[in-house]
Amino acid sequence: DTAVSQTPKYLVTQMGNDKSIKCEQNLGHDTMYWYKQDSKKFLKIMFSYNNKELIINETVPNRFSPKSPDKAHLNLHINSLELGDSAVYFCASSRRRAFEAFFGQGTRLTVV
Amino acid sequence: QQPVQSPQAVILREGEDAVINCSSSKALYSVHWYRQKHGEAPVFLMILLKGGEQKGHEKISASFNEKKQQSSLYLTASQLSYSGTYFCGTEIPRSQGGSEKLVFGKGTKLTVNP
Repeated sequence: DTAVSQTPKYLVTQMGNDKSIKCEQNLGHDTMYWYKQDSKKFLKIMFSYNNKELIINETVPNRFSPKSPDKAHLNLHINSLELGDSAVYFCASSRRRAFEAFFGQGTRLTVV
Repeated sequence: QQPVQSPQAVILREGEDAVINCSSSKALYSVHWYRQKHGEAPVFLMILLKGGEQKGHEKISASFNEKKQQSSLYLTASQLSYSGTYFCGTEIPRSQGGSEKLVFGKGTKLTVNP
């Protein structure tokens, strides 16, 4: 069983579209994250949720909206996609802050 | 608040040693080390929380200096499987003006050749 699973693995879409990435963890962790990794491999945190509550909301465009229906799921919805949104998006979870984080396999988003 | 990693890239032959450094201008709550192979997700290596701490993971170990502003990752007798990009992630406590979120350095690309 995959500990942190993301779907889809690849996403190619046109500018202006709206898309969602789903993430689920079966580790019983309290904290979940979304990271963006750009073409230069820079890994930047976007959001962090603890027990379904948003605790970190980095300076990302408000076109990005995370939703956590329960502790095991953290989805990312992106409106009006732009070329600059192209990147690999990683979901991760940890028992709590300052504990080992487990990453999903990533979603490679390409906006054309 | 992004930690500074050095070097940016290292090329080794199997069996050689390497050191990757991670430094911050402020005292840290913790330092995390991850390795990411090409096309894969980052994988956790270790966390250091205490000043002066040293930890080992097979032939990969790390230290955290007494002031908690620098950490080094040591790879000894490198193997082909060590190739990848190594990231340090640091947390700055609120007492130091941080937000307690994990911020990653830009990574160090390690290539081990036969």
